[in-house]
Amino acid sequence: DIQMTQSPSSLSASVGDRVTITCRASQSISNFLNWYQQKPGKAPKLLIYVASTLQSWVPSRFSGSGSGTDFTLTISSLQPEDFATYYCQQSYSTPPYTFGQGTKLEIK
Amino acid sequence: EVQLVESGGGLVQPGRSLRLSCAASGFTFDDYAMHWVRQAPGRGLEWVSGISFNSEAIGYADSVKGRFTISRDNAESSLYLQMNSLRAEDTALYYCARAVAGTGLYYNYGMGVWGQGTTVTVSS
Repeated sequence: DIQMTQSPSSLSASVGDRVTITCRASQSISNFLNWYQQKPGKAPKLLIYVASTLQSWVPSRFSGSGSGTDFTLTISSLQPEDFATYYCQQSYSTPPYTFGQGTKLEIK
Repeated sequence: EVQLVESGGGLVQPGRSLRLSCAASGFTFDDYAMHWVRQAPGRGLEWVSGISFNSEAIGYADSVKGRFTISRDNAESSLYLQMNSLRAEDTALYYCARAVAGTGLYYNYGMGVWGQGTTVTVSS
């Protein structure tokens, strides 16, 4: 099975900061990497799929990049509504489609 | 409005069974693969199972393989998860989720629509 490792596991930042979260796969997954945002008590929401394609509701301050085993999620200028937990997930080939352990983004 | 509504959760003793349901509306159900994802209290997301539009492709997490069975009824726009031999570690909020796009399970683009979840508690 493919293992997904996110870093950092938590991050403290201020409004306006540029933030980067990384996700590493245990083997190449091409660009089959998705990012989700989850706020407390809510269902996750898909932010980015196939590494860099933003869902229609996602502001342009979010971006995703990478291929193979190394991926990043970048928020160019943090807004108050961006404080949440972020998960990467690989959807390559056959199941299981594993998630990373999550990155909790908190207000400094 | 595109919507997924899960039901069937509850308190169950270890070793017993439970069947979760997910009612879909607002889209053509058999145009999409579907998934179950769970989240234990205070923990991260765990992909549980997925099924292609025609039920020909199915997959499971190692943690549930042989105990859980996913199925769908396209005529009823419903997704199911039969959970047998339940363990304490199966305690979680179970989400039903729809593929972003596409009917297939393999090489998919993630899950673009989620329900609000149904809670399963396994305890004696």
